[in-house]
Amino acid sequence: EPEVTQTPSHQVTQMGQEVILRCVPISNHLYFYWYRQILGQKVEFLVSFYNNEISEKSEIFDDQFSVERPDGSNFTLKIRSTKLEDSAMYFCASSRVGEQYFGPGTRLTVT
Amino acid sequence: DQQVKQNSPSLSVQEGRISILNCDYTNSMFDYFLWYKKYPAEGPTFLISISSIKDKNEDGRFTVFLNKSAKHLSLHIVPSQPGDSAVYFCAATPFGNEKLTFGTGTRLTIIP
Repeated sequence: EPEVTQTPSHQVTQMGQEVILRCVPISNHLYFYWYRQILGQKVEFLVSFYNNEISEKSEIFDDQFSVERPDGSNFTLKIRSTKLEDSAMYFCASSRVGEQYFGPGTRLTVT
Repeated sequence: DQQVKQNSPSLSVQEGRISILNCDYTNSMFDYFLWYKKYPAEGPTFLISISSIKDKNEDGRFTVFLNKSAKHLSLHIVPSQPGDSAVYFCAATPFGNEKLTFGTGTRLTIIP
C-alpha cells in the first residue's frame, strides 16, 4: 500500500540554523501539506501546495518558512533560522481527492 | 480558536464493547469531516470520513455519525479491540483538499 515517507525521523539543530525536512508524498497525489504538533498540543496546519504553488498558509507559516517541490517526487519544508519554539513534530500529508494521508513525522528539536 | 473540540481527553472501554468518541465544531463552513487514529511517534492514520450531505458512514467496525444541526459528530467502534488503543483525532475542512482543522484528541484505552 502506498504511503507518505519523511526524512529524517529526528533532527536536532541549534537555534538560528537552517533545517530542511523532506517528504515523499504518495505518487499519484496532487495536493501536499505540512502540519506540526507541538508536544501536548493539537495538530496545526502550516501550508498547502498544489500545482507548484502555495494554495493556503497559516499565520505560523511566516517568512522563515518555505516549501518546494524540487522534482517530481520530493516535497520539502525549509525553516531558515530556527527558534526554540519551532521544536515540534512536523507531518507531511498528501491527498488526491478528499482524505489526507500523513507521513510518520520528523521530530525537530531546536537547542 | 477552538473550532473543533473533543471534550473528553480520555476514554476507557472494555474489550468487545462499543467505543463512542465525540466531536463538536463551531464553523458552519465545515463540510467534510474525518477521523484519524494516532499511535505515539507515528503520523495520524486516516480511519473514516463523512461529508455533510450524509448523516452516517460505515466502514467495517467503524461508523461515523454527523448531526449538522447540533454541529456534532461521533465515531463508534464496535466491537472494541485492544489494538484500537490510541489517540483519536477528529478533523474538519470546508471541503476536500483544503486545510484540516484538528480537535485536541481523545485517548482511547481498551481494557482486555
